[in-house]
Amino acid sequence: DGGITQSPKYLFRKEGQNVTLSCEQNLNHDAMYWYRQDPGQGLRLIYYSQIVNDFQKGDIAEGYSVSREKKESFPLTVTSAQKNPTAFYLCASSTLTKNYGAFFGQGTRLTVV
Amino acid sequence: EDQVTQSPEALRLQEGESSSLNCSYTVSGLRGLFWYRQDPGKGPEFLFTLYSAGEEKEKERLKATLTKKESFLHITAPKPEDSATYLCAVQAKSTASKLTFGTGTRLQVTL
Repeated sequence: DGGITQSPKYLFRKEGQNVTLSCEQNLNHDAMYWYRQDPGQGLRLIYYSQIVNDFQKGDIAEGYSVSREKKESFPLTVTSAQKNPTAFYLCASSTLTKNYGAFFGQGTRLTVV
Repeated sequence: EDQVTQSPEALRLQEGESSSLNCSYTVSGLRGLFWYRQDPGKGPEFLFTLYSAGEEKEKERLKATLTKKESFLHITAPKPEDSATYLCAVQAKSTASKLTFGTGTRLQVTL
């Protein structure tokens, strides 16, 4: 089945540690995105990439980093510089040739203690 | 800057009681408006794409409409399984694939 896989579903880390969230898609989509969701704030864009080896900052990129070495993969690293990392993280992908919107993974809930 | 405002924040309906959710938007050249459904702890599930004012899309008990300033998601005779958060997002022609989301409407349908 085609889709977007995020792992792990739940992640616990100690304050001050970097952590990497995985996102893989087999939809052959060109574009991939990372969003952060907090209660009452909707989805906020962290980073997005429209082509391999290229990515752009979204609205809240500080304290995060990404890479896009393969079309299928777009991992997100939450660094120790992110002041409030506890949140629900969503990865999405879309085709650029047709405007069908974005398709989402099932999310990773990160808790920093 | 693109903006999306959804109302109400929360809505409680009885089964069979029809209603509408609102999504007001400002965008410099609309490329598309999207409706998603999100269940607790899950990723958003795509429902509809609307491209131009006057367009309508339907799926089961849901119907989405679009004007130049807002979109409505009409829910006809809802059932408890329609309970979820409904998200609206816009995509501007100038920002290629980037989506800007509203904060959502949390819908609860009771028996």
